[in-house]
Amino acid sequence: EAGVVQSPRYKIIEKKQPVAFWCNPISGHNTLYWYLQNLGQGPELLIRYENEEAVDDSQLPKDRFSAERLKGVDSTLKIQPAELGDSAVYLCASSLSSGMNTGELFFGEGSRLTVL
Amino acid sequence: QKEVEQDPGPLSVPEGAIVSLNCTYSNSAFQYFMWYRQYSRKGPELLMYTYSSGNKEDGRFTAQVDKSSKYISLFIRDSQPSDSATYLCAMIPPMGGSQGNLIFGKGTKLSVKP
Repeated sequence: EAGVVQSPRYKIIEKKQPVAFWCNPISGHNTLYWYLQNLGQGPELLIRYENEEAVDDSQLPKDRFSAERLKGVDSTLKIQPAELGDSAVYLCASSLSSGMNTGELFFGEGSRLTVL
Repeated sequence: QKEVEQDPGPLSVPEGAIVSLNCTYSNSAFQYFMWYRQYSRKGPELLMYTYSSGNKEDGRFTAQVDKSSKYISLFIRDSQPSDSATYLCAMIPPMGGSQGNLIFGKGTKLSVKP
């Protein structure tokens, strides 16, 4: 069974440029998450989707970040314009249901962003 | 004070050693505790999951929760070079929180030397 697929794996851009990350979750997982992981830190939730609905986007900086999950499957996270402080790893994860307290999220390998 | 505290290390041990990794937390209402393992340039993967207090064993790994001290531990017996990774503790907040609201520690980087 394929895991969570993210692309691109690496992206280097100059500040003020836009960037987009794509995520394909595990088939059948209705919950999708985008996490931000800074160097030496644990992942921090940016946004959580239940099917097509963003049910928790309280930590998403909405002035420059946007996300969508069309048809409740794939998702895209966009930053426009990027700032130096956005350099980090953007992790996508999926689970069967966020209401199941098993703590098991399946993570992709992440998209590593460097803003110059 | 952060809700979940974890010493980032790094921690270096010889092969075969017993490793102890720990996290403390501030909210006594936490009930669900997890350990994730993250290899370099990979995403985290769930290693152990425990509910409330007590011990849970899975092969060479033992997860321990001491709610009275608000302290959780992960023990690795007979450590192997393949255990070299960053270990992240994670918790589900109380008050109706779900795994969608996982709070992670900073992670402890472990290196097991052959």
